[in-house]
Amino acid sequence: EVQLVESGGGLVQPGGSLKLSCAASGFTFSGSAMHWVRQASGKGLEWVGRIRSKANNYATTYAASVTDRFTISRDDSENTAYLQMNSLKTEDTAVYYCTRQGLLVGATGGFGYWGQGTLVAVSS
Amino acid sequence: SYELTQPPSVSVSPGQTARITCSADALSNQYVYWYQQKPGQAPVLVIYKDSERPSGIPERFSGSSSGTTVTLIISGVQTEDEADYYCQSADSSGTNWVFGGGTKLTVL
Repeated sequence: EVQLVESGGGLVQPGGSLKLSCAASGFTFSGSAMHWVRQASGKGLEWVGRIRSKANNYATTYAASVTDRFTISRDDSENTAYLQMNSLKTEDTAVYYCTRQGLLVGATGGFGYWGQGTLVAVSS
Repeated sequence: SYELTQPPSVSVSPGQTARITCSADALSNQYVYWYQQKPGQAPVLVIYKDSERPSGIPERFSGSSSGTTVTLIISGVQTEDEADYYCQSADSSGTNWVFGGGTKLTVL
């Protein structure tokens, strides 16, 4: 069974930093592209960014709203993905979801599996 | 930037067919994916590659595509289908992923 478990959320002041973790199991993590998606309360889904596998040089891409502030990384030995968030703004307040790209069978695109999310609140 | 537009809300009665559209502002060579999200839960992929259904998703969920518009079709809607639905795709380069604004499906 595929499982994604996020952790590291919490309350942080504007301008501060926070690092989220996503522990993965039930699939070959090292071969998978991983994404982060966020959702502000009562709002829609927003793609944050992606990190590809070692075979794709761990390439990363980010949404314009977080470029230069957020960094996605991974530790394949620990089956864990990370989201380092710096220079946080009040508008970054949201539930952050870790997702795996594609399904084990069928889709190679899209977000096939999701964690339950972790809440990040940016407030003074 | 690449954008996807959905109607904010759709209402149907149980047993009817619901159609939720997703319009792109430009042609893209990328597929569209659909997600169902119920309150307090993470989204679930219900359609991939415009019209394919993942294992475990009921047959009443289907998708179609025409030009720059894709449509999620739910035939014989059930009360449990009441949820928010999001379309998702990427720009032509495949590096920028986007969601539509979401559609709230109400089953009257």
